[in-house]
Amino acid sequence: DGGITQSPKYLFRKEGQNVTLSCEQNLNHDAMYWYRQDPGQGLRLIYYSQIVNDFQKGDIAEGYSVSREKKESFPLTVTSAQKNPTAFYLCASQEASGPYEQYFGPGTRLTVT
Amino acid sequence: KQEVTQIPAALSVPEGENLVLNCSFTDSAIYNLQWFRQDPGKGLTSLLLIQSSQREQTSGRLNASLDKSSGRSTLYIAASQPGDSATYLCAVRRVDSSYKLIFGSGTRLLVRP
Repeated sequence: DGGITQSPKYLFRKEGQNVTLSCEQNLNHDAMYWYRQDPGQGLRLIYYSQIVNDFQKGDIAEGYSVSREKKESFPLTVTSAQKNPTAFYLCASQEASGPYEQYFGPGTRLTVT
Repeated sequence: KQEVTQIPAALSVPEGENLVLNCSFTDSAIYNLQWFRQDPGKGLTSLLLIQSSQREQTSGRLNASLDKSSGRSTLYIAASQPGDSATYLCAVRRVDSSYKLIFGSGTRLLVRP
């Protein structure tokens, strides 16, 4: 089955630690995205990548970092510089040509205490 | 700047009722609009994608309409069922940035048995 996987489903970390969230897709999509979702809010774009070895900051990139070494993988690191890291993180991928439909993974809930 | 609004934030209806969810956007220069469903603690599932040149799209009991000139889209759900209970989000894709979706904050729907 084609799709997007995110791991782990739940992640707990102590304040001051970096943590990496995994995202893998087998849809053969060029573009991949990371969003953050807070309760009662829409999704906010953290980083996106339109092609391997290239990525751009989204609206709330501070305190996050990414890499895109393989087409299938787009890991997100939440660094200790992120002031409010507790949130639900969603990974998505998108078709390279129109209509550019986006598909989402199941999400990772990160709790930092 | 494109802004997407969904009103109401929450809706409760009895089973069997037909209902309409609203989405409005401030800039009519959109490429397309996507409706998603999100169950609690889960990722987003794409329901319908409607191109800027289209007036509506249908899938089963769901019908999405688009009026670009007035900056509005509606998602019509016929004969609602308890299994339709979820949060529904709309997102627009601008003409000048096909890579990026701008999300509303969603309408949380409860269908009572």
